[in-house]
Amino acid sequence: GQQVMQIPQYQHVQEGEDFTTYCNSSTTLSNIQWYKQRPGGHPVFLIQLVKSGEVKKQKRLTFQFGEAKKNSSLHITATQTTDVGTYFCAANNNDMRFGAGTRLTVKP
Amino acid sequence: DGGITQSPKYLFRKEGQNVTLSCEQNLNHDAMYWYRQDPGQGLRLIYYSQIVNDFQKGDIAEGYSVSREKKESFPLTVTSAQKNPTAFYLCASSTKGGHNQPQHFGDGTRLSIL
Repeated sequence: GQQVMQIPQYQHVQEGEDFTTYCNSSTTLSNIQWYKQRPGGHPVFLIQLVKSGEVKKQKRLTFQFGEAKKNSSLHITATQTTDVGTYFCAANNNDMRFGAGTRLTVKP
Repeated sequence: DGGITQSPKYLFRKEGQNVTLSCEQNLNHDAMYWYRQDPGQGLRLIYYSQIVNDFQKGDIAEGYSVSREKKESFPLTVTSAQKNPTAFYLCASSTKGGHNQPQHFGDGTRLSIL
């Protein structure tokens, strides 16, 4: 069955540093979604990527979908303390599978 | 205000007891989902429903049951057959079934064993 790997599991950065989380699927995907979960909160939808090689930006966040539609990344430029939380990818191919998430902490 | 309401926020279960977690949405969404989240892990799908009076098992359905008698409601029962029920349970909904729609989540219910 479909397997989704998300790395790293944890990332601790100094405020102002960049951050990247990667999501890799064992199968070709129809689309991929990204969610953010603040500590003690629930996942909130950020974006969906559908096309091969697609790149989307939301302010300091850049989302990429690989050419083979098997991997994706989320990059945050110049992190802020408001970025703390766990970032999940949700890989879709008939079934949807969530990655284990990358927990981001930011030191002021 | 539209959204998904889960109750209770915290729930304690005694050994051998069934408990039911409530999930109500007023977003007029067709599809609803139940996930389990354990520390350091992603969300695992328990059950989902794409339409009223119909639901399908997810990856970890054993020890759980659901019903979908109304579009707005998708309660989850954690039965005594679920031997390790301690977890954070999240309910979600989307405009329609399939996996091309964003999912909207409730605030979750944290279940613990007494």
